Amino acid sequence: GAVVSQHPSRVICKSGTSVKIECRSLDFQATTMFWYRQFPKQSLMLMATSNEGSKATYEQGVEKDKFLINHASLTLSTLTVTSAHPEDSSFYICSARDDGGLDETQYFGPGTRLLVL
Amino acid sequence: ELKVEQNPLFLSMQEGKNYTIYCNYSTTSDRLYWYRQDPGKSLESLFVLLSNGAVKQEGRLMASLDTKARLSTLHITAAVHDLSATYFCAVDGVGSGTYKYIFGTGTRLKVLA
Repeated sequence: GAVVSQHPSRVICKSGTSVKIECRSLDFQATTMFWYRQFPKQSLMLMATSNEGSKATYEQGVEKDKFLINHASLTLSTLTVTSAHPEDSSFYICSARDDGGLDETQYFGPGTRLLVL
Repeated sequence: ELKVEQNPLFLSMQEGKNYTIYCNYSTTSDRLYWYRQDPGKSLESLFVLLSNGAVKQEGRLMASLDTKARLSTLHITAAVHDLSATYFCAVDGVGSGTYKYIFGTGTRLKVLA
């Protein structure tokens, strides 16, 4: 089955530093990937749609200069949280859509838990 | 704007009982997904429903989709403790011209032994 990995799985950083999270599709190509954020006991909120070779599309209210997305290949998208602050602490989950799939099913990564001190 | 609502938000039930979780959405879509999430974990895919009238079953869980009513149900039969988790439905906005998922609010299920 389609597998998506994320790295790191957990990160703790100091306030003001930047953190990069990688999302990889391991056995399929993904022109489109998605980044979600989930606060405790809440649902997943879509942050942005990552498009290979072009700019990401951000959801309303998500600062594009704070959450930098780069999708440089068909199997890798990265999310960089710049100048992280405690309120950025959250569970970040990526998903990827299989370019060769028969439908629009997204495959989800295992998530990255970010704690900003 | 596509909105997805689930009810109930919380569900506590005894083992062996049956119950249904409802997922309503606001705009046209033929695709609906159900996921399970355990504490501290990511999403586990349960069902992919791709057409009106679709019904899928796996073990004690059965999901259905009525696109005309914009409603999906997740039915639990003879619940067991291992089913305790949070369940999310998600709707694919392809009918609105996008391919992004909009997630429901989630239903936190606790099955009491």
